[in-house]
Amino acid sequence: DTGVSQDPRHKITKRGQNVTFRCDPISEHNRLYWYRQTLGQGPEFLTYFQNEAQLEKSRLLSDRFSAERPKGSFSTLEIQRTEQGDSAMYLCASRLRREETQYFGPGTRLLVL
Amino acid sequence: KQEVTQIPAALSVPEGENLVLNCSFTDSAIYNLQWFRQDPGKGLTSLLLIQSSQREQTSGRLNASLDKSSGRSTLYIAASQPGDSATYLCAVSSLYDYKLSFGAGTTVTVRA
Repeated sequence: DTGVSQDPRHKITKRGQNVTFRCDPISEHNRLYWYRQTLGQGPEFLTYFQNEAQLEKSRLLSDRFSAERPKGSFSTLEIQRTEQGDSAMYLCASRLRREETQYFGPGTRLLVL
Repeated sequence: KQEVTQIPAALSVPEGENLVLNCSFTDSAIYNLQWFRQDPGKGLTSLLLIQSSQREQTSGRLNASLDKSSGRSTLYIAASQPGDSATYLCAVSSLYDYKLSFGAGTTVTVRA
């Protein structure tokens, strides 16, 4: 296992469509984080999981957003009824509980037309 | 809410010059501070992590200092090279849940 992977790497969709992104963390990493990064800004925290439990959600995560981590392995982030303002890079990171460093995936770049 | 600021927003230097990147944060109750590198359109690569009890951390040509009481960190890159051209992001980790608060980054261009 060489690192955190995310799929797809790029997604173009029309406004109003639903999209789903997947993150596969480093094996045995029990903490998983989602961040969103818009152009020219640093990433902003969205939500995080400890194993399968979603422990915190940012107020940035509106009702149109939902995240899951079934069985504490991979995670999915779904955006329903996409809006142009959802266009951003969505980053996933994972870490071991006893370690401090978060390891980031390559991101999924979303463009909503 | 933790606010992280990075100055300058952009920096252009000739090859060989030393780089100094600044980061400030408003809440000193942090667990650690990390510096990341981000190449255009790519994810983040961790460069250095400084625990809140440490004053500095070094890796090769990189040195990062932390003054938690004043809410400041500085990243030094010695003898810059064109390959150092990237955006450098500073992030502080919450004391309670490790979630990261990021600055907007400093975009560095090293001219050959």
